[in-house]
Amino acid sequence: EIVLTQSPGTLSLSPGERATLSCRASQSDTNSYLAWYQQKPGQAPRLLIFDASSRANGIPDRFSGSGSGTDFTLTISRLEPEDSAVYYCQQYGSSPRTFGQGTKVEIK
Amino acid sequence: EVQLVESGGGLVQPGGSLRLSCAVSGFTFSSYWMRWVRQSPGKGLEWVANIKPDGSETYYVASVEGRFTVSRDNAKNSLYLQMNSLRAEDTAVYYCTRDSGSLDYWGQGTLVTVSS
Repeated sequence: EIVLTQSPGTLSLSPGERATLSCRASQSDTNSYLAWYQQKPGQAPRLLIFDASSRANGIPDRFSGSGSGTDFTLTISRLEPEDSAVYYCQQYGSSPRTFGQGTKVEIK
Repeated sequence: EVQLVESGGGLVQPGGSLRLSCAVSGFTFSSYWMRWVRQSPGKGLEWVANIKPDGSETYYVASVEGRFTVSRDNAKNSLYLQMNSLRAEDTAVYYCTRDSGSLDYWGQGTLVTVSS
């Protein structure tokens, strides 16, 4: 089973700043089948990025994904207040599909 | 518009059963794998079960194998999760999701609480 480790646990930044979230896989079998989700309190997760770097429908271009192998990154280029949420990565290149433990982004 | 609407959650005693349903609209249900994902209170996300478009193959996380059964009715555009022998650790919000590789659509979730 591929273990995904996200860092940092919490990120506290001001509006307009750049956020960089990391997701590291325990094995390289993800084949870049890596997704990022955003979850706000009381809501279901929402797909942001799939296949490591493709934005889902309707996702603003301030969200971008990159990486390959075992190291992946979600970047929010200019934070908006509504970006306050928990962000999860998930791999779907190997069974069982697994999620990271999440990174909480707080807006100061 | 794609919609996934779960129902059937609630409070159940340990050892009891519940059947979750997910009504789907806005896409060709019979063409997609579907997946149940759960989230324990204050915790992360965990895949529970998934099912092939024609229902011929199902897969489960080890902790629910033999207790949970995922099924679907393509004529009714509906997904189901029969949960038996429920345990306290099954307490979670259960989400129905469309599986396109990534999980591109999610329902709002239904809360299952297992407690005496």
